[in-house]
Amino acid sequence: EIVLTQSPATLSLSPGERATLSCRASQSVSSYLAWYQQKPGQAPRLLIYDASNRATGIPARFSGSGSGTDFTLTISSLEPEDFAVYYCQQRSNWRGTFGGGTKVEIK
Amino acid sequence: QVQLVQSGAEVKKPGASVKVSCKASGYTFTSYGISWVRQAPGQGLEWMGWISAYNGNTNYAQKLQGRVTMTTDTSTSTAYMELRSLRSDDTAVYYCARDLDTAMVLYFDYWGQGTLVTVSS
Repeated sequence: EIVLTQSPATLSLSPGERATLSCRASQSVSSYLAWYQQKPGQAPRLLIYDASNRATGIPARFSGSGSGTDFTLTISSLEPEDFAVYYCQQRSNWRGTFGGGTKVEIK
Repeated sequence: QVQLVQSGAEVKKPGASVKVSCKASGYTFTSYGISWVRQAPGQGLEWMGWISAYNGNTNYAQKLQGRVTMTTDTSTSTAYMELRSLRSDDTAVYYCARDLDTAMVLYFDYWGQGTLVTVSS
């Protein structure tokens, strides 16, 4: 099974700052990686798929990059509504697995 | 608009089974696959498996093989997830989620509201 490791576990930042979240796969997943945002009490929301494609309605401040085993989600300038937990997810080998999540909290 | 509406919360005893439903609307049900994802209290997301609403083909997470069954009823546009031999660590919110595209499976753009399943003696 492919394991996804996200870092850091928690990121403490202020509104307006840049957030850089990392996701590392235990083996190559090509570009088959997505990012989701989840707020308390809500279902996850798809942000990015195939490593770098923004989902419908996602603001341009969210961007994804990477391929193979190393991926990054960047939020260029944090808005108050961006403080949440972020998960990466891979879909290689017709099975999905999620990373453990990164919490972006207000500093 | 696309909606996935799940059945209500359940409380089960260890060893019992639970069946959660997910009723879809706002799109052609048989054109998109459905996955089930669960989240234990305070924990991360766990993908459980996927079912094609077109032909019923399934793909389950290895750790749940033999305990989980996913089905669909195309006449009512409803997907079901049954989990057997429940244990306390199956306590979680269970989500159904739709594939992003008819040809792009295992990315999820629409999610149900979640169903809390509590396993307790």
